[in-house]
Amino acid sequence: GAGVSQSPRYKVAKRGQDVALRCDPISGHVSLFWYQQALGQGPEFLTYFQNEAQLDKSGLPSDRFFAERPEGSVSTLKIQRTQQEDSAVYLCASSLGEDGYTFGSGTRLTVV
Amino acid sequence: DQQVKQNSPSLSVQEGRISILNCDYTNSMFDYFLWYKKYPAEGPTFLISISSIKDKNEDGRFTVFLNKSAKHLSLHIVPSQPGDSAVYFCAAKRETGANSKLTFGKGITLSVRP
Repeated sequence: GAGVSQSPRYKVAKRGQDVALRCDPISGHVSLFWYQQALGQGPEFLTYFQNEAQLDKSGLPSDRFFAERPEGSVSTLKIQRTQQEDSAVYLCASSLGEDGYTFGSGTRLTVV
Repeated sequence: DQQVKQNSPSLSVQEGRISILNCDYTNSMFDYFLWYKKYPAEGPTFLISISSIKDKNEDGRFTVFLNKSAKHLSLHIVPSQPGDSAVYFCAAKRETGANSKLTFGKGITLSVRP
């Protein structure tokens, strides 16, 4: 596609519920990143994929967070047993190799 | 511990004048710096970048200056236009290339008054 597509745009989850956030990167982009942006903060790194390999997951805040990219294209970020502190915008970005990678519009997650 | 700091949360500038957005960093291992622009309900958009081997990079109305000794960079927008009103994020990473994560500041909200 023309850009990075994320779905859903908005998600309201009850505390304790599991959620899955989807990212469709730009076709052919090898690198894929997930970031978490809390209100009033800058994006913070969660995890990085090169093709289907998850090369860095050092930013995942807890073992409730899990990301996958099984075929090297679409990626899913899963959050189990959501907590209120998980409320944030989750941004996905992809890159072909250049330095300024392309972000999607994000998924705004609200945990109530 | 904020490794990239944007200490001014907002800036208001008259249309046609210069906007100067500042950014400081603490990690001396950072060697590549980027500026992103973000409109509400959209993802950040890459604006301009600079490598640590340079002290200036220019692209149209946008110029980024880097002072490595002071661990400081700034984005200059001349002339400022109302459409430049957005949140600007400074970001840094440890090496060029696609596979290195960015560390962002908190952002500065720029308002350009007509």
